Amino acid sequence: ETGVTQTPRHLVMGMTNKKSLKCEQHLGHNAMYWYKQSAKKPLELMFVYNFKEQTENNSVPSRFSPECPNSSHLFLHLHTLQPEDSALYLCASSQEPRIMGKNIQYFGAGTRLSVL
Amino acid sequence: GENVEQHPSTLSVQEGDSAVIKCTYSDSASNYFPWYKQELGKRPQLIIDIRSNVGEKKDQRIAVTLNKTAKHFSLHITETQPEDSAVYFCAASILNFGNEKLTFGTGTRLTIIP
Repeated sequence: ETGVTQTPRHLVMGMTNKKSLKCEQHLGHNAMYWYKQSAKKPLELMFVYNFKEQTENNSVPSRFSPECPNSSHLFLHLHTLQPEDSALYLCASSQEPRIMGKNIQYFGAGTRLSVL
Repeated sequence: GENVEQHPSTLSVQEGDSAVIKCTYSDSASNYFPWYKQELGKRPQLIIDIRSNVGEKKDQRIAVTLNKTAKHFSLHITETQPEDSAVYFCAASILNFGNEKLTFGTGTRLTIIP
């Protein structure tokens, strides 16, 4: 098992629900990422946090709201999602994205989200 | 921005044969190219990577080659085994506002036929 843990592993929600995904890393890394993985599409980077500061928002709709209270924890708050948001949401962490060679990304197992 | 294309999308090979997966990238500034393996229901895991100052890297049955001039890199798996069945993703990394950013390919589903 790697040091990146995601909960829950599976989530079913209605379009009017509010839920949150949680990611925790025990690797002492400084950067954390949210990716969306849909069938037959590349891994889509959503958000990047480096030292708790958001350094990238890849044109993600506002119904996805990230939160990074510290370098070890990352949340993705979900509200009024659409069925097309159903996907596997992966969290990853890396040591230091500002230094070449220190950006190997370690992934969590993901949360399989179904929006009904 | 960077664009990474990966081929083929599916690949079936007989156990013991070799498998090759190819990726191309668009931004000549990319200089780090990792490969991830994702088994069914599991997380993507780094299996090998290469930096732009190297043309080839090998780790047991897995090798990666890089042609910077042509902007393509490939994953080679020799003597394939059933446990090699998985989805493989290539990626290219570029510095974006001071941070290394990975752009992934669409993945190749490799099936090893016993």
